[in-house]
Amino acid sequence: EIVLTQSPATLSLSPGERATLSCRASQSVSSYLAWYQQKPGQSPRLVIYDASNRATGIPARFSGSGSGTDFTLTISSLEPEDFAVYYCQQRSNWPLTFGGGTKVEIK
Amino acid sequence: QVQLVQSGAEVRKPGASMRVSCKASGYIFTKYGINWVRQAPGQGLEWMGWINPYNGDTNYAQTLQGRVTLTTDTSTNIAYMELRSLRSDDTAIFYCAREHNSYMDVWGKGTTVTVSS
Repeated sequence: EIVLTQSPATLSLSPGERATLSCRASQSVSSYLAWYQQKPGQSPRLVIYDASNRATGIPARFSGSGSGTDFTLTISSLEPEDFAVYYCQQRSNWPLTFGGGTKVEIK
Repeated sequence: QVQLVQSGAEVRKPGASMRVSCKASGYIFTKYGINWVRQAPGQGLEWMGWINPYNGDTNYAQTLQGRVTLTTDTSTNIAYMELRSLRSDDTAIFYCAREHNSYMDVWGKGTTVTVSS
C-alpha cells in the first residue's frame, strides 16, 4: 500500500498570503495524484488531478506540481473561502490511498 | 446536473449490518465507477472500495475485505454499500463519489452512521 504523508499538519496563514502544502508518497506514483478540499460539514471537492490539472471550476490561484514521490499544492493568494482541510490521493496503485490532510487555518 | 443523493443517517448496534444507498443522476450511470469513502469523527478520509456499474467489477480495501459488499442496480441508477459485523469504530460519515480516471470528481453529501449499544 502506498502511504501518503502530508505536511505540515496545520498551516496558519492570513488572507492574501501564499500557501504551500506538501504530499510525499512512500513510492513513486508518477503523476497520478489528486488534491481535495474539504470544508467543515461538507463533502470533499476535487481541486487538482494528475498532479497539476485544475478540476472544473477551480480558480487559477490553485496550482499543483510534482511527480514521482514529491508533490506540492500552492494557493497563490489565500481567499477567505480557501481555509479548509486539503487531502492528497494517489491512483497509481490499488488500494487508492489518501494522505492525512493539511488544515489551512486563519492566522 | 450531475449529483449523487445518499440515504439518510442510521444508528446500528454492534454486530449488526447496514446498507447505504447512493442514487446517481445527470449522467450515464454505467460510464463511471463509484467509490466509497468513509471519515470517522474528526479524522481523515479512508477509501473503502470501488465498483464498476457497467460490469460489476469491484475492488475493496484490504482492511474491510469480507465485511463490505458494493453493488449497483443499473435499472434505478443506485449504488449500494453494505457493511456487516459493525463495530463502534465503524462510526463515520460514509460518502459515495463518482470515479473519473480513479479520481473522485462528484461526491454525495455523506451518510452518518453511528454504531452504539
